[in-house]
Amino acid sequence: EAGVAQSPRYKIIEKRQSVAFWCNPISGHATLYWYQQILGQGPKLLIQFQNNGVVDDSQLPKDRFSAERLKGVDSTLKIQPAKLEDSAVYLCASSLNPEKLFFGSGTQLSVL
Amino acid sequence: AQRVTQPEKLLSVFKGAPVELKCNYSYSGSPELFWYVQYSRQRLQLLLRHISRESIKGFTADLNKGETSFHLKKPFAQEEDSAMYYCALSGKNFNKFYFGSGTKLNVKP
Repeated sequence: EAGVAQSPRYKIIEKRQSVAFWCNPISGHATLYWYQQILGQGPKLLIQFQNNGVVDDSQLPKDRFSAERLKGVDSTLKIQPAKLEDSAVYLCASSLNPEKLFFGSGTQLSVL
Repeated sequence: AQRVTQPEKLLSVFKGAPVELKCNYSYSGSPELFWYVQYSRQRLQLLLRHISRESIKGFTADLNKGETSFHLKKPFAQEEDSAMYYCALSGKNFNKFYFGSGTKLNVKP
C-alpha cells in the first residue's frame, strides 16, 4: 500500500516568514496526526484529526500554528510567523487502527 | 502528568550480545505501551505493542506496573538492529501518543 506522503522534504526560511506543510494520509485512514520533532527529542503531538474534526490540539501553539484537514483526507500545517525555535522535523502520521501509526518521511524545517 | 523517559541516548553493544533498552513512564491510569523504531533513512514505524504480547524480530518487552517500566530486550543483537528506538504510551482510548526522547542502538560487528 502507498505510505503517508509529505511535502516538501526540506524547507529553509527566515524568521517571521510563513511556511506550509502538506500531508496525504494512507487511503481510508480516518485519523491523522501532526508531530513536531526537535533535534534530540521524541515526536511531540501538535494536533490530531478524526476525519475532518479536531480531536486534540492542546499542544498546538495556536498564536502561530494552524492546521486543517479538508474533506477528511489531505491536511496542511501552517506556521505564521515562524520563530527560530520552530526549527524541527514535522511528521505526519495516519492510522486506521488507533494502536498503529504510519508515519510519513517528514518535512525538515530550518528557520534562520 | 504523562511522561516517557528513556535514560540512555546511546547504547553500543557487540553483535551477539544481549541488549536492553530502558523505558520508564508516568501516567495517571493504565496506559498502553509501544516501541517504535526508525532505521537509517527509513520512516518511524511500530515495532511492537504491549497488548499484543508479541515478539518482533526477536525483541520482546515486558510491562512492569510496579516499576512503571517497559524495557525492550533482545537476547542476541544483530547489526541490522542498529536504529533509533522510541518508547511510547497512550491512554486506553489511544487518543494521544506520548513519545520518549529515543535511544540510539549501535550494534558493532
